[in-house]
Amino acid sequence: EDQVTQSPEALRLQEGESSSLNCSYTVSGLRGLFWYRQDPGKGPEFLFTLYSAGEEKEKERLKATLTKKESFLHITAPKPEDSATYLCAVRRNYGQNFVFGPGTRLSVLP
Amino acid sequence: DAGVTQSPTHLIKTRGQQVTLRCSPKSGHDTVSWYQQALGQGPQFIFQYYEEEERQRGNFPDRFSGHQFPNYSSELNVNALLLGDSALYLCASSPQTRNNEKLFFGSGTQLSVL
Repeated sequence: EDQVTQSPEALRLQEGESSSLNCSYTVSGLRGLFWYRQDPGKGPEFLFTLYSAGEEKEKERLKATLTKKESFLHITAPKPEDSATYLCAVRRNYGQNFVFGPGTRLSVLP
Repeated sequence: DAGVTQSPTHLIKTRGQQVTLRCSPKSGHDTVSWYQQALGQGPQFIFQYYEEEERQRGNFPDRFSGHQFPNYSSELNVNALLLGDSALYLCASSPQTRNNEKLFFGSGTQLSVL
């Protein structure tokens, strides 16, 4: 059974304090690993897709990396507007659904 | 260009009742998926519709059913509501192309079952 776990469950950072979020996954035949951002009261918003180990994607202060068993979302010099829940999801080959992790709730304090 | 729209935004029902939630996909998208998100959890896949047919279903009972219309909009129906059905119900749309796998989510319908 496909499984996605995320750590930490919650993270509080001071503005400018860089850190990383972890996503560990077990899936039979990974098609892609996805990162989403979710603000309170809203649906998830797409950030990145990673397809193979060693791949990296960057967007502003965020950088996502992928290994065979986990993915990291690195946040460099975060700002308060980066506060949100970050969700990781996997999609297997020949499947239509995404399996989401429980998310990491990030708070960036000014 | 309107994104994914869902209605209603909030709904309060009592146990045993039935509910219908609605979703209009993003323009140009023909595939609609429904997810249930309990408080503090990630979204869980309910089912996906393409060409007016259920293409894949998650681990949800038959009380959960859906429909897709010719204009690609979709409905989620839940019968015999239980307290545990209280959650945020998310609709996500995507185009049916292998190279574009991003899901675009609506803001969801918050269902409370009393």
